[in-house]
Amino acid sequence: DTAVSQTPKYLVTQMGNDKSIKCEQNLGHDTMYWYKQDSKKFLKIMFSYNNKELIINETVPNRFSPKSPDKAHLNLHINSLELGDSAVYFCASNNLAGIYNEQFFGPGTRLTVL
Amino acid sequence: EDQVTQSPEALRLQEGESSSLNCSYTVSGLRGLFWYRQDPGKGPEFLFTLYSAGEEKEKERLKATLTKKESFLHITAPKPEDSATYLCAVLTGGGNKLTFGTGTQLKVEL
Repeated sequence: DTAVSQTPKYLVTQMGNDKSIKCEQNLGHDTMYWYKQDSKKFLKIMFSYNNKELIINETVPNRFSPKSPDKAHLNLHINSLELGDSAVYFCASNNLAGIYNEQFFGPGTRLTVL
Repeated sequence: EDQVTQSPEALRLQEGESSSLNCSYTVSGLRGLFWYRQDPGKGPEFLFTLYSAGEEKEKERLKATLTKKESFLHITAPKPEDSATYLCAVLTGGGNKLTFGTGTQLKVEL
């Protein structure tokens, strides 16, 4: 029944490591997003993919690389993790041209870099 | 650059004490304004979309309104279960880019 799911829910790792977060949606949407929420709860968009094509790419370090194998999946790979990468990462989805543009969010992945 | 400012940052209400949350925005080409509710440890949950000035939408104890410069989320006779962080976001551009405000943390006490 889960609409937008993310794995893992928690991720604790050392500086310098490489990690991935996975996202899947079963809503039939054609567009998926990655957001970062910092310690002050500010939610900022990072990337968006529409039908596996990158359409939004905000000012994000190139250590972050999104990958969309198909419309229902959007993964986020992070190389050489830094302390400042600690945050909650949310995946979201919607239909790009839909009348109702609301984005549906996943439960989040809390990344802690030690 | 699009800017969204929410006030107050935090609000404490007694049960039944009505109030309003503010979201002011400076954008070019507003396509829609969204309100979300976020509970601790969870993702934002969609509440409302407003598309044009003068539009209003209601859901239970919540009512959202929109002008050309700001939106209000009115909470009538709140209950403790309304406690959450309320986020507003503006949709601009052609790529469905949402720009969020910093949120209002609402706590409703008995």
